[in-house]
Order: sequence, then structure tokens, then C-alpha cells
Amino acid sequence: QQQVKQSPQSLIVQKGGISIINCAYENTAFDYFPWYQQFPGKGPALLIAIRPDVSEKKEGRFTISFNKSAKQFSLHIMDSQPGDSATYFCAASKDGTSGSRLTFGEGTQLTVNP
Amino acid sequence: GAVVSQHPSRVICKSGTSVKIECRSLDFQATTMFWYRQFPKQSLMLMATSNEGSKATYEQGVEKDKFLINHASLTLSTLTVTSAHPEDSSFYICSSRWTETQYFGPGTRLLVL
Repeated sequence: QQQVKQSPQSLIVQKGGISIINCAYENTAFDYFPWYQQFPGKGPALLIAIRPDVSEKKEGRFTISFNKSAKQFSLHIMDSQPGDSATYFCAASKDGTSGSRLTFGEGTQLTVNP
Repeated sequence: GAVVSQHPSRVICKSGTSVKIECRSLDFQATTMFWYRQFPKQSLMLMATSNEGSKATYEQGVEKDKFLINHASLTLSTLTVTSAHPEDSSFYICSSRWTETQYFGPGTRLLVL
């Protein structure tokens, strides 16, 4: 009930291409879905987040698509750049419980080739 | 966004010694902080939830006597790894919530020899 499943485990994209990472969750009580970007040896940094009342959110080259009925959400990185090479984690939480602890996906290691 | 700092960024210690890691919220007050552990190429594993002025809540399988957490103020939580052993070597990361977002510290790399 608390799991968030993420795919693919790794992804290689050419510069300028679109990177797509998918996540699926089980707990319908989740109401906040952030994506984090992590570079080696650094802490995760929030990239973009969405709540289930909207189906899409875009910030610059990053877009979250959210499908509430399918309990799935995805991150799209448009015009992928070598500097986007990092590990991406999706997560989910439900407000009001345990300080809104995050449940993380397994992570996707993205490599953008120049 | 809010800033969370950690100190030290990396520490090397001998087996059997204790190591303290500090987590600070620099520009907001944090009643709750979270401590994670991350092994290479793996996801973040929540170890415990640190609550200001009260006992921490530990995840199943995490030894509370080995990983001591103190959250004595609204801006500081500490994690002490007691009697550290090589298997405790890992990347430890704290986070705290401000508005609806959890902000993470830069992490502490612990190496136990």
C-alpha cells in the first residue's frame, strides 16, 4: 500500500531528446507527488511537484503528467541536456500524517549523451 | 526555497567510535525532520522521523540505540551513530518540510574503517 514503483531503472537519451520516467503508486490516500533530482554525492533537490487535482504541470523543460484513475504519474524532460544527467526519484506523500513523510521510488539514472 | 544544511559533509572514523551528524534548517523552523540512509545506486531509506521536543519515531528494523536522534530545537536535529562499524558506512541525508515541500540537506558521507 505504501509502495511507489519507478521505471526505467536507467535511461540513456541523446542531447535534445525527450526523457520520460514513469511511476505508479498504490495508496490512493497519497495527495502530493514530487520529483527530485540528485547528483552524485549531493542531497536530492526538488524539481517539480503535482497534486492530484490537476493532470499536468509544466515548469520550463520539465513536465509532470498525472493519471489519477491509473494511479500513475510521469516526468518528461524536454530538450534533454548533458547537465540533466543525474538520478531522478519520484515520491509520494499524504498530508497530515507523520509530518508528510515521503515514499520514494527506486530511482532512475539518466544519462544524456552530447 | 528553504535551506537545510548538514555537518560534517564527510567523516571517517574508526570502528567502535561514535559519530554525530548535525542537520539544521537555516531559514525556517522545523518541528519535524527526517533522517535517511542511502547506499550506492539505491533509493533513500527513511530511518527515523525526528520531532522537536519529543522522542524520534524509528522505522522498522532501525536500531534506536544505535542511531540516536535528538531534536532539541526548531532548527537543529542530530543523528549519532554509536559504536560505528564498517557496515554503517553510508550516505546519511536529512530533510525537513517547509510549506508543502521537503527540502534535503547535502548529505554526510560516513566511512567507518
